[in-house]
Amino acid sequence: AQSVTQPDIHITVSEGASLELRCNYSYGATPYLFWYVQSPGQGLQLLLKYFSGDTLVQGIKGFEAEFKRSQSSFNLRKPSVHWSDAAEYFCAVAQNAGNNRKLIWGLGTSLAVNP
Amino acid sequence: DAMVIQNPRYQVTQFGKPVTLSCSQTLNHNVMYWYQQKSSQAPKLLFHYYDKDFNNEADTPDNFQSRRPNTSFCFLDIRSPGLGDAAMYLCATSRGRLPGTEQYFGPGTRLTVT
Repeated sequence: AQSVTQPDIHITVSEGASLELRCNYSYGATPYLFWYVQSPGQGLQLLLKYFSGDTLVQGIKGFEAEFKRSQSSFNLRKPSVHWSDAAEYFCAVAQNAGNNRKLIWGLGTSLAVNP
Repeated sequence: DAMVIQNPRYQVTQFGKPVTLSCSQTLNHNVMYWYQQKSSQAPKLLFHYYDKDFNNEADTPDNFQSRRPNTSFCFLDIRSPGLGDAAMYLCATSRGRLPGTEQYFGPGTRLTVT
């Protein structure tokens, strides 16, 4: 069965520092991978997605992610974090099974940014 | 701007008193989803509509029902809320259900059960 693991429950970084959020997936075929961000009390917003092609994907708000098939990973990165990046980050893989094409979600990583 | 709107943003209901949450969209998407998200957890899909076709998740309690009277609106009905139903309820939409299709989320309704 498909699954998504986000090993880090909580991460704290200083403003201006670089960031990497880890995501590992389990999926038999080529995965459709997503990163969503959820600000406190808000819905989720898509940061970026990977289907095929270039393994380095650029997203909104200066985020990027790299798909590494050999490691079953899709880690999210940002070279310089801003205080407004403090939020919950979810990695997800799209299930492709019949009519139930739902997203399989990781448990999320909570990001805190120190001034 | 095209968007997904949820009303109300905050809802307080009493134990056992039916409650309805509302979602509307101006994206003209044919798929609408309802998720339940408890504190510090990932969203959990309750069900979705593909046009008028209702698709229930196997583990969604019978206490949760949904209606989609037209393309723009979708409702979540909780027939007899329990304390365990207190959560954020997220509505999302997508254009189709292909695996790579982006889902657009509303801001959520925070449900409190007293």
